[in-house]
Amino acid sequence: NAGVTQTPKFRVLKTGQSMTLLCAQDMNHEYMYWYRQDPGMGLRLIHYSVGEGTTAKGEVPDGYNVSRLKKQNFLLGLESAAPSQTSVYFCASSYGAGPRNSPLHFGNGTRLTVT
Amino acid sequence: AQSVTQLDSQVPVFEEAPVELRCNYSSSVSVYLFWYVQYPNQGLQLLLKYLSGSTLVKGINGFEAEFNKSQTSFHLRKPSVHISDTAEYFCAVTERQGGSEKLVFGKGTKLTVNP
Repeated sequence: NAGVTQTPKFRVLKTGQSMTLLCAQDMNHEYMYWYRQDPGMGLRLIHYSVGEGTTAKGEVPDGYNVSRLKKQNFLLGLESAAPSQTSVYFCASSYGAGPRNSPLHFGNGTRLTVT
Repeated sequence: AQSVTQLDSQVPVFEEAPVELRCNYSSSVSVYLFWYVQYPNQGLQLLLKYLSGSTLVKGINGFEAEFNKSQTSFHLRKPSVHISDTAEYFCAVTERQGGSEKLVFGKGTKLTVNP
């Protein structure tokens, strides 16, 4: 049982380049989330999805786009990377009506550096 | 909007000593509280949660937390820590927005257990 898998694990981009982070879960979870983690800032929600075909903005959505075409996958895109997007990105998923009823399951993170 | 304040960014302790990690939240009519732990180079995992009922909540690995409504606090405690408890700990609260529920995290407390 793989749980939540994030690819890639590491990536270095130059300013202005684009990339897509992939999150895949095999637990049939409805909710999926993208967070970024920065030193001293904790985790901040970028975008989330409450089901296939739906997405919503979180706390820090600017500069990112997401898609949830399949229930098991949640993609995070950076169209034009900036150094301020250097961070560790975490994907999470949960079953049912949100974190109160089901704990969030996290991937192991993607460490992104933008130079 | 909900907010969470973790009062200590770093807590060093010696092995077998007791520890308390402090968390305060912004007041709300109904609040659901969580502690998550992040071991080095891993994603977060749920330690314990308070939804209702007894104000003393027990979690995994010998941790417990006490919900105090009058002080809007949810402090995490362990009577005797091990080296393996070295990790970053995040307090979180649910927030309802736009018909869906999500977690708002504190900035984290790094617990370092020294021999």
